[in-house]
Amino acid sequence: DTGVSQNPRHKITKRGQNVTFRCDPISEHNRLYWYRQTLGQGPEFLTYFQNEAQLEKSRLLSDRFSAERPKGSFSTLEIQRTEQGDSAMYLCASSSQGITYEQYFGPGTRLTVT
Amino acid sequence: DQQVKQNSPSLSVQEGRISILNCDYTNSMFDYFLWYKKYPAEGPTFLISISSIKDKNEDGRFTVFLNKSAKHLSLHIVPSQPGDSAVYFCAASVGSNFGNEKLTFGTGTRLTIIP
Repeated sequence: DTGVSQNPRHKITKRGQNVTFRCDPISEHNRLYWYRQTLGQGPEFLTYFQNEAQLEKSRLLSDRFSAERPKGSFSTLEIQRTEQGDSAMYLCASSSQGITYEQYFGPGTRLTVT
Repeated sequence: DQQVKQNSPSLSVQEGRISILNCDYTNSMFDYFLWYKKYPAEGPTFLISISSIKDKNEDGRFTVFLNKSAKHLSLHIVPSQPGDSAVYFCAASVGSNFGNEKLTFGTGTRLTIIP
């Protein structure tokens, strides 16, 4: 098992463009989470999936953001009409449903909006 | 509203001594707490966790203490090693019938181990 992977690792885009990030969770994990981290802050929850169902969305997730997990495996996070305030590290984590709460994080995708 | 607080942005400790990182929380519904370690350009790495039904959990050099009445937890690292230099995040979760859900993180403490 190679852990959680995220692609791309870095993305630079111009304001107004659309971007899409991909997350591949640990294979046996049925829960997948997206977080955003800005400088000097801890990760902030955006949304999570159990299998293909999106169970919770944060109020941080504006209408410009959409996340999918179509087959309950990998997930994509799309940001439409990017703004400079979207510049952040986008982290994906996965876990297995059960009695423990540990989530395992990928390396993140750093987005810079110019 | 910062529900999980790490009031020390940084901490420096001599190699071989004990490092103590602190975390306070305000939401009494939190019932599971975790510590993560983060190196630059990497995602957070899970270190150790504790359920609210316990007051101590130990794993090798790492021990987490939970004081529910004070809504305070701490991470002890002993002995501290140069590889422990990183940013440490405290996180908390509200349990539910569905199991693990979102984590609420503190702002982190940068630990520097001085050789």
